[in-house]
Amino acid sequence: TQLLEQSPQFLSIQEGENLTVYCNSSSVFSSLQWYRQEPGEGPVLLVTVVTGGEVKKLKRLTFQFGDARKDSSLHITAAQPGDTGLYLCAGESNDYKLSFGAGTTVTVRA
Amino acid sequence: GAVVSQHPSRVICKSGTSVKIECRSLDFQATTMFWYRQFPKQSLMLMATSNEGSKATYEQGVEKDKFLINHASLTLSTLTVTSAHPEDSSFYICSASGGGRSNYGYTFGSGTRLTVV
Repeated sequence: TQLLEQSPQFLSIQEGENLTVYCNSSSVFSSLQWYRQEPGEGPVLLVTVVTGGEVKKLKRLTFQFGDARKDSSLHITAAQPGDTGLYLCAGESNDYKLSFGAGTTVTVRA
Repeated sequence: GAVVSQHPSRVICKSGTSVKIECRSLDFQATTMFWYRQFPKQSLMLMATSNEGSKATYEQGVEKDKFLINHASLTLSTLTVTSAHPEDSSFYICSASGGGRSNYGYTFGSGTRLTVV
């Protein structure tokens, strides 16, 4: 299993502020996926990035895949309390397996 | 969209008994299913990968005789925790893929909270 380092582990911000979560690895992945997980639930896919340098936007969320396909970032603009949750990055390897980062717990205070 | 149903959502069992967890793909054929476990405040750790009609492939450190996986059809995979002990208490999550590539997506079940007393 390839190692993905996710940072920060915890993030607490005020409503309206911006935040960025990072996901880094020394390995190259076929794709990188970002998930959000609520307590007691399975992860829900937010986005998949495949091409090096790719940028995808999902409303106030911006996802970027590094040129070398080893790292990614998730940026949330004007965070809202509804954005609170556990954000997980996962790298997909050539054998179709997903390696998950440790997760970032985001808390947005009203 | 693709839906994966996982049951039960919660189960409490006595030490030494076995527990079966089911994972069903409701609207697509899951050629590959993955089983994960997640401890509190930690990320998902892959336990095993199963392809329909084949034996499961277990990750290093996962006991195949303790965690029995069956993937007899394209829509159903089961994980049986045999002779469960308190240290097996965890959140177990399945994931199903229709084509083994992210283009087909990896859809996760809602998880099963296992508590062994």
